[in-house]
Amino acid sequence: DTGVSQNPRHKITKRGQNVTFRCDPISEHNRLYWYRQTLGQGPEFLTYFQNEAQLEKSRLLSDRFSAERPKGSFSTLEIQRTEQGDSAMYLCASSLDRGGTETQYFGPGTRLLVL
Amino acid sequence: GDSVTQMEGPVTLSEEAFLTINCTYTATGYPSLFWYVQYPGEGLQLLLKATKADDKGSNKGFEATYRKETTSFHLEKGSVQVSDSAVYFCALRVLSGGYNKLIFGAGTRLAVHP
Repeated sequence: DTGVSQNPRHKITKRGQNVTFRCDPISEHNRLYWYRQTLGQGPEFLTYFQNEAQLEKSRLLSDRFSAERPKGSFSTLEIQRTEQGDSAMYLCASSLDRGGTETQYFGPGTRLLVL
Repeated sequence: GDSVTQMEGPVTLSEEAFLTINCTYTATGYPSLFWYVQYPGEGLQLLLKATKADDKGSNKGFEATYRKETTSFHLEKGSVQVSDSAVYFCALRVLSGGYNKLIFGAGTRLAVHP
């Protein structure tokens, strides 16, 4: 068990460019979450996958954001036409559904800076 | 709505001092409560949890008791070390639309000096 991994760890981009982040969850974890953390704040929920199905999206997730989890394994989060306000740490977490006793395990995050 | 409030930081302590970081919550139903820790340059790590009232979570010398009557989950450690310097997040987990959603506080930065 190598834990949740995320790539890249850091991304600097210019406003208007598209970026894509990847998350590899702990193997056999069927639930996957994306969060966003801005400086000085706690993580805020963005979206949730149960296996390959995206079951919930936060109002924070504008139309420029899209997330996928093909085959229920790794997940990608794409931001189109990035804006300076998108600068944040993007965190991925995974968990195994144990009927209400699940614990979410977090990856190291991808820090995005939009210039 | 559901929310978590933590004491503002930074909290600055000398090594071996006693630590308390206050956390209170607002939630409908009966949430589970968590403390996560974030060391510099790293992701969040689960520190401890409690799933029902009066439960005490503990790990690495840290403790927190789920107090339903005061809606609190304060983090304590009897003797902090320099290596405990990090940002600590209190969180609650609620069932929302068939899945478990974590709601975090803003975090409290702890700095421990030798």
